[in-house]
Formats: sequence, C-alpha cells, structure tokens
Amino acid sequence: DIQMTQSPSSLSASVGDRVTITCRASQGIRNDLGWYQQKPGKAPKRLIYAASSLQSGVPSRFSGSGSGTEFTLTISSLQPEDFATYYCLQHNTYPYTFGQGTKLEIK
Amino acid sequence: EVQLVESGGGLVQPGRSLRLSCTASGFTFGDDTMSWFRQAPGKGLEWVGFIRSKAYGGTTEYAASVQGRLTISRDDSNSIAYLQMNSLKTEDTALYYCARDRFPATWGQGTLVTVSS
Repeated sequence: DIQMTQSPSSLSASVGDRVTITCRASQGIRNDLGWYQQKPGKAPKRLIYAASSLQSGVPSRFSGSGSGTEFTLTISSLQPEDFATYYCLQHNTYPYTFGQGTKLEIK
Repeated sequence: EVQLVESGGGLVQPGRSLRLSCTASGFTFGDDTMSWFRQAPGKGLEWVGFIRSKAYGGTTEYAASVQGRLTISRDDSNSIAYLQMNSLKTEDTALYYCARDRFPATWGQGTLVTVSS
C-alpha cells in the first residue's frame, strides 16, 4: 500500500497567517492527489484535485502543488472559517489512502 | 442540485449483517462510479471501495480490511448504491459516507454504524 505521511499533525495559527501542509507519498503517484477540508460533524469538502487544480467555488487563497512523492497545500491568508482538519488523498493506486490529517487550530 | 443521502446505519452485534443505502439525485447516476468511505469516531478518513458504472463493467475495488466481508452494489434504475456489510467486527464502527466518483467532490452526510455487543 502507498503510505501518505502528512505533516504537521496539528498546527496552531492566527487569522491572516500563511500556512503550509505537506503530504509525502511512499512511492510516486504522479499528480493523483487531492486535498480535503473537514469541519466537525460535516462531510469532507474537496479543495484541490490533480495536485494543483482548485475546485470550483473554493477561495483562491487555497493552492496546491507537487508531483511524484511530495505535495503541499497552502492557505495564503487564513480566515476564521478555515480552522478545520485537512486530509490528502492519493488515488493513483489501490487501495486509495489518506494522510492522517492536520488539525488547524486558532492560536 | 446533486444530493447523496445515506441510510441504514444503526447498532448491530459483532458477526451480524447490515445493509447501507445511498440514494442519489441531481445527476445521471448510471454514468458514475460510486464510492464508500468511512471514519471511525475521532479518527481519520478511510477508503472502503467503489463500484464502476455499467459502461466500465460495474466492477468493484475494495480495501483489504473489508475485502470479502463488505460488498458494494448498485441499482441504476432507482439511483441507489448499496454497501452490504457481513461478519461485522467492532473495528467496523464508523460513520459511513457514500460519494460520487472515485476521487469525489460530492459526499453524503454519512450514516453511523456501531458494532457492539
């Protein structure tokens, strides 16, 4: 199975901060990766697909980059509604696998 | 508007069976792969598997942890995807989500399955 190592597992930041979350794949997955945001009691929401394409309706402060084994999600200027848990998901090889999640909290 | 509504969750004893349903609307159900994911209480997301559309053979893929016990099927005439869960274990306790496509943008709200004696 492809292991997705996501870091950090938690992050404390302030409104207006720039934040970066990283996922590393245990083997190359081309750009078959996306990012999800999940708020408590809610279903995941897709933010980024194909590593760097912004999902329709998602604010442009979210961006993704990377290919192969290293990927990043960047939030350029944190807003209050961005405090949530973020997951990466690889869909290159079965079984599909998620990173363990990054909980983004208010400092 | 695309909508997915899961149902069928509940409390079940270990070793018993349960069938979850996912009723879809707002899109041509038969054209799409349908996926299932789950999330144990307080834990991360886990891929369960998916079923391809009939155009792609209607075949399925599963996580190793559920292979042979959980079965995904579909009823295109009624726009419903199913997750048949047999020989349930306590570690199957989770919120189960259905989703449209293999790498989905659209998810249901989830249905909770609790496996406990």
